[in-house]
Amino acid sequence: AQTVTQSQPEMSVQEAETVTLSCTYDTSESDYYLFWYKQPPSRQMILVIRQEAYKQQNATENRFSVNFQKAAKSFSLKISDSQLGDAAMYFCAQMYNNNDMRFGAGTRLTVKP
Amino acid sequence: DAGVIQSPRHEVTEMGQEVTLRCKPISGHNSLFWYRQTMMRGLELLIYFNNNVPIDDSGMPEDRFSAKMPNASFSTLKIQPSEPRDSAVYFCASRQGPNTGELFFGEGSRLTVL
Repeated sequence: AQTVTQSQPEMSVQEAETVTLSCTYDTSESDYYLFWYKQPPSRQMILVIRQEAYKQQNATENRFSVNFQKAAKSFSLKISDSQLGDAAMYFCAQMYNNNDMRFGAGTRLTVKP
Repeated sequence: DAGVIQSPRHEVTEMGQEVTLRCKPISGHNSLFWYRQTMMRGLELLIYFNNNVPIDDSGMPEDRFSAKMPNASFSTLKIQPSEPRDSAVYFCASRQGPNTGELFFGEGSRLTVL
């Protein structure tokens, strides 16, 4: 069974600073997708960034980037130039074999002005 | 384009009552997922469908829960009878196809069972 672990229940960052959220996963598959979703207080789940496991290059979306270490099964999210609107729950997720998506427990990010 | 549409947004009911949650996936999406979110257990996959066919329902808590997808544009999640421990936010999500990965989520249905 695949599992996704987020070891940081809560993180905080000063506005305009950089923060990294950690995620590890466990799978025996070689081909899979990894995602970071954001859930603001409105509770809507919003995709932040995705990474295909077969791609060696780390995905980047504006201020959001990942550090994908396939051998270590690690997939961390870096948020640069943090903004107040980045405050939310962040969920790491894995999908393999084009089937279901499994989520980590989430990390609550607070952004301090 | 409209996103995934769920109804109701909020439901308060009494223990023992039947609850039906509804979901309309994004047009053209072939896969549909139901998740439950609680503080204690996080996001749990309940069931998912590919082309209207249930593929994996191993996450459905017990026989009180059932899900259907009679056509490509509609799905229901039913709880009968409901219990206080079913209180949670229930999310529906859809995916365009097997090779696209990303799930698009609805806004969720918050269920409170008294």
